[in-house]
Amino acid sequence: SYELTQPPSVSVSPGQTARITCSGDALPKKYAYWYQQKSGQAPVLVIYEDSKRPSGIPERFSGSSSGTMATLTISGAQVEDEADYYCYSTDSSGNLGVFGGGTKLTVL
Amino acid sequence: EVQLVESGGGLVQPGGSLRLSCAASGFTFSSYWMSWVRQAPGKGLEWVANIKQDGSEKYYVDSVKGRFTISRDNAKNSLYLQMNSLRAEDTAVYYCARIFRAPDYWGQGTLVTVSS
Repeated sequence: SYELTQPPSVSVSPGQTARITCSGDALPKKYAYWYQQKSGQAPVLVIYEDSKRPSGIPERFSGSSSGTMATLTISGAQVEDEADYYCYSTDSSGNLGVFGGGTKLTVL
Repeated sequence: EVQLVESGGGLVQPGGSLRLSCAASGFTFSSYWMSWVRQAPGKGLEWVANIKQDGSEKYYVDSVKGRFTISRDNAKNSLYLQMNSLRAEDTAVYYCARIFRAPDYWGQGTLVTVSS
């Protein structure tokens, strides 16, 4: 079955840039999406179609994709950005969804 | 405002069945694919199933094929997940999500616990 691979954890100091990667064989042809999930809450979409930001999401969140890797970048990370982040995409058929294993972002 | 409210979770014995519901409001339900996503305690998100706007196409993760059935009633703006032959590894919070190329709006989830 298709898999997306993320690092388990990323740690930065406040104000630094955090980068979270997501790798998958189908990413050259399929969009990546990114979700933020804070403890006890439902996930929130922060990036869609590789690099687009939904309304209400701060500009410090950005996304990019190149080849088999997508990247979520948080420029000037803040303490409130501490959360689990998940990438999402579909397999090559477009019919089956898949999430990455998640990355715990620590900002301290 | 888009709202998705799940219900139907609870404690069930291994081998048992449960039907989850999701009530949708604030958007034209019949125009969107819908999805179920689950999250086991302390674990990551797992896509479970998708259903097309008219119910004519359904897709499942391998681990639930033959046991779970996704369905919808557009007249009632409702999404369902019938879960049969439940196993301990199905224990999770189950989220209902609207699909716009990917899950964009999510409910708050309903907890399913499979245990004797």
